[in-house]
Amino acid sequence: GAVVSQHPSRVICKSGTSVKIECRSLDFQATTMFWYRQFPKQSLMLMATSNEGSKATYEQGVEKDKFLINHASLTLSTLTVTSAHPEDSSFYICSAWDLYGYTFGSGTRLTVV
Amino acid sequence: GIQVEQSPPDLILQEGANSTLRCNFSDSVNNLQWFHQNPWGQLINLFYIPSGTKQNGRLSATTVATERYSLLYISSSQTTDSGVYFCAVEGYKLSFGAGTTVTVRA
Repeated sequence: GAVVSQHPSRVICKSGTSVKIECRSLDFQATTMFWYRQFPKQSLMLMATSNEGSKATYEQGVEKDKFLINHASLTLSTLTVTSAHPEDSSFYICSAWDLYGYTFGSGTRLTVV
Repeated sequence: GIQVEQSPPDLILQEGANSTLRCNFSDSVNNLQWFHQNPWGQLINLFYIPSGTKQNGRLSATTVATERYSLLYISSSQTTDSGVYFCAVEGYKLSFGAGTTVTVRA
């Protein structure tokens, strides 16, 4: 089946710094990828849809300037959390669609101290 | 957007027991998937099942699209089945239910 690789799996950063998270489709091309955020004991919330070669589409309430998305190739999308603050601490997960449905990366646990 | 309700919110099982998880959704959907999120956060795709019935080992799922619900059956549960089970449906985007937390005790 399809594999989506996400790195890093865990990151701790200082308040005010930026963090980049990578999401790669390993055995298929993904013109569209999706970024989710999950708080502890809660469900997944779609943040944005990443489109290869064009601007990302953000869900209502998601700050475009804080969560920068780049989808530069058919196999790579990146999420950059800019000027991170403790309230940005969360579990971030990417996904992509293939013939078998949506496949998810293993997630990135971000802690901002 | 489409509302997704899962029940029960929590389920405690003795190893070897059978169980049924339910997912109700508020509108017609293009896609419905069941996922298992393990303790490390990885979401595993269990079933892509917009309609009909599928089986995979001890797990099976049924979606009745006309009545807007889906059921996930776990038979002969094992401790490795513990985790959160999510139902997700696709209208214009993939919307997740709140999940069912399953704990299987040895």
